[in-house]
Amino acid sequence: SQQGEEDPQALSIQEGENATMNCSYKTSINNLQWYRQNSGRGLVHLILIRSNEREKHSGRLRVTLDTSKKSSSLLITASRAADTASYFCATSSEAAGNKLTFGGGTRVLVKP
Amino acid sequence: EAGVTQFPSHSVIEKGQTVTLRCDPISGHDNLYWYRRVMGKEIKFLLHFVKESKQDESGMPNNRFLAERTGGTYSTLKVQPAELEDSGVYFCASSQVISLGYTFGSGTRLTVV
Repeated sequence: SQQGEEDPQALSIQEGENATMNCSYKTSINNLQWYRQNSGRGLVHLILIRSNEREKHSGRLRVTLDTSKKSSSLLITASRAADTASYFCATSSEAAGNKLTFGGGTRVLVKP
Repeated sequence: EAGVTQFPSHSVIEKGQTVTLRCDPISGHDNLYWYRRVMGKEIKFLLHFVKESKQDESGMPNNRFLAERTGGTYSTLKVQPAELEDSGVYFCASSQVISLGYTFGSGTRLTVV
């Protein structure tokens, strides 16, 4: 298994519905970040949650972090067709030189 | 402020040829990272510069890959000679304060045929 595994691998929902994806990791971290990648484009930083935080909000995004379970979730509320993208979690730790370790990503399709 | 710029956006080369990818980080960002995603796999770390120094190059796959950051500004990643398995998307990211996250470029899609 890889650090930062995501679940599910793919998700298809109707516009207006909520989308939830999960990320699990194995080692201690300083922070966990979520990124979005639209088809053929770069990675867009969505939100960063530190290891001493449990929940964070940014617009329609809600991220939770449970360090005891080494897991995080990303919730997108009231989804829009423009939210169609791949979403990646990435962990970072000072012990590992702060480089990001990515999960395999969740492909989200929001149908209009 | 301008974002992280990468070019070319796409490159198609033949096996055995050389390709050089370039990354211009956000001005003032000392930290510069290279990552890549080969087809169907996770995004993997390649290396990390702090200014012009290589802080960590543990992710570089082999000696066909050479990264430089002369003067601590832009960085280049050269693949010589390119192999088929080098195909993928190469991302560059920069950060001023690591704990605040990174800004990624749009990536260079490299196809080796």
